[in-house]
Amino acid sequence: SQELEQSPQSLIVQEGKNLTINCTSSKTLYGLYWYKQKYGEGLIFLMMLQKGGEEKSHEKITAKLDEKKQQSSLHITASQPSHAGIYLCGAEMKTSYDKVIFGPGTSLSVIP
Amino acid sequence: GAGVSQSPSNKVTEKGKDVELRCDPISGHTALYWYRQSLGQGLEFLIYFQGNSAPDKSGLPSDRFSAERTGGSVSTLTIQRTQQEDSAVYLCASRDSYEQYFGPGTRLTVT
Repeated sequence: SQELEQSPQSLIVQEGKNLTINCTSSKTLYGLYWYKQKYGEGLIFLMMLQKGGEEKSHEKITAKLDEKKQQSSLHITASQPSHAGIYLCGAEMKTSYDKVIFGPGTSLSVIP
Repeated sequence: GAGVSQSPSNKVTEKGKDVELRCDPISGHTALYWYRQSLGQGLEFLIYFQGNSAPDKSGLPSDRFSAERTGGSVSTLTIQRTQQEDSAVYLCASRDSYEQYFGPGTRLTVT
């Protein structure tokens, strides 16, 4: 099984709807990263979370790291077609700083 | 400033041939990572280099894969005796503090 799991695997939402993507680790996290990948393009850094309970926002995207530091959620408010893409969570575990591994990704489609 | 660059952008090779993929990281970045992304999949960790420390090779899928980083800068990923299952996009990233900066990738197709 993977060290990092993401759910759902894919998501189709109507424009304007809210949505949440989850990332769960099998080990305690040192740092958690969210990236977005447009189809056929490179990865865009969204934000990094490190402290338990930390919450960060970037435009209409908010991410939170739970207190136990083993799960993060990414929430998009009032989704737009520009939000479509693959969302990837990356993580460093407390047992292996600097080694950044990624989850399988969540594919998001937003229907106008 | 210049970002991470990778070459070639596309590589088509015959099964059994060796290939070399190159990554030029952002100048001054101490950490360099290689990942593999198959169609519709997430990023599979292959190897990372941090400064002068021994590289973490724990993600290399077989002994046909190797990588080196010369002078703490440019890195080359070598795949020997390529197989069809090696077909994927190979991504390189460099890092200074916490954010990784990714290159555009090399799309490898093994026929």
